Amino acid sequence: QKEVEQNSGPLSVPEGAIASLNCTYSDRGSQSFFWYRQYSGKSPELIMSIYSNGDKEDGRFTAQLNKASQYVSLLIRDSQPSDSATYLCAVIERYSTLTFGKGTMLLVSP
Amino acid sequence: GAVVSQHPSRVICKSGTSVKIECRSLDFQATTMFWYRQFPKQSLMLMATSNEGSKATYEQGVEKDKFLINHASLTLSTLTVTSAHPEDSSFYICSARDSSERTDTQYFGPGTRLTVL
Repeated sequence: QKEVEQNSGPLSVPEGAIASLNCTYSDRGSQSFFWYRQYSGKSPELIMSIYSNGDKEDGRFTAQLNKASQYVSLLIRDSQPSDSATYLCAVIERYSTLTFGKGTMLLVSP
Repeated sequence: GAVVSQHPSRVICKSGTSVKIECRSLDFQATTMFWYRQFPKQSLMLMATSNEGSKATYEQGVEKDKFLINHASLTLSTLTVTSAHPEDSSFYICSARDSSERTDTQYFGPGTRLTVL
């Protein structure tokens, strides 16, 4: 059974701080890794994708992947109240289906 | 970025009726589309994988005769909830995989909120 584990939170950070979201996965065959943001009552929105070990930066977001440790993380710099949402980690083998974690709720206080 | 639309965004129907939900990839071709369901405060649950021109693959526990999926073109998949009942009330979300991309990136539609009275 493929599993993706995330801390459900909520993770509370003050505005301007760095939010760190973590995810571990069980399937060593996983090749693609994604972070989605989901606001309450809305569908998931793709934030970041990462495919190789190391860091990938896009604006205020940095995804980090460590395949040896089966660990992927998302850093959000200069957190804003509008970043308050549930963040879903998802992994996939090639040409397979996404396996989602249950999500981490992030609350950014003004 | 890739855009996926869904229609309708919200539907209210009487018990026993059928409801059709459309999912379209607007600026890319999608050989594969996916249908998810999400109940309040719960995780996304994959219902089925839809491949253009072939039968959908349903996840365990999902009734294929109740949730009819058709993927007739590279840009359109439909989900029909037949003889809907109140327990089918949920948030239905489709996603599509861009056939031209070498990655497995899935782009989600905005979702359809179904309420069965």
